[in-house]
Amino acid sequence: EPEVTQTPSHQVTQMGQEVILRCVPISNHLYFYWYRQILGQKVEFLVSFYNNEISEKSEIFDDQFSVERPDGSNFTLKIRSTKLEDSAMYFCASAGVAEAFFGQGTRLTVV
Amino acid sequence: SQQGEEDPQALSIQEGENATMNCSYKTSINNLQWYRQNSGRGLVHLILIRSNEREKHSGRLRVTLDTSKKSSSLLITASRAADTASYFCTHSWGGSEKLVFGKGTKLTVNP
Repeated sequence: EPEVTQTPSHQVTQMGQEVILRCVPISNHLYFYWYRQILGQKVEFLVSFYNNEISEKSEIFDDQFSVERPDGSNFTLKIRSTKLEDSAMYFCASAGVAEAFFGQGTRLTVV
Repeated sequence: SQQGEEDPQALSIQEGENATMNCSYKTSINNLQWYRQNSGRGLVHLILIRSNEREKHSGRLRVTLDTSKKSSSLLITASRAADTASYFCTHSWGGSEKLVFGKGTKLTVNP
């Protein structure tokens, strides 16, 4: 069964460093998303991406964040200068017509 | 708030019993989706029900949708310890593709 894959599964980074979280969406999907979940809190929407551009973003998705689809298969989330409060699970999702499928997440720890 | 709200927040049952979780929402919807999340893991897509459908089955899962009451229910029959997880309903609406998550129902199935 096709699935969304995310790498790495866990990343530890120092405050102020840049991180890139990687995702391989399901191959024939057209919509791509990033969500995050701070420990013990709700899953929060960050950004959606369609037709090679951002279609929607939340107030969390400020200038420190960017997304890219550098080739036909990868979808990345970059955080330019990480803060302690960026520590969270980051989930990538992709959708075709309706159902959205999520990856297993990247646990980002900023120290 | 446009997120779905699950009820109850926590549910504890014995293996073999049925578990029913409810969800209410506030906007008109395109479709409604139920997800499961095991602790610290990714979101697993369970079932999608479209706004013109009233009931849908998938294995031991049964989902109903009442658009007049803006509510949905998820029934898990003959529950197993492995069903222990948090369950979320979410939906898209209007021209937005993003999914908004509530706090979920934390289900514990005791062996």
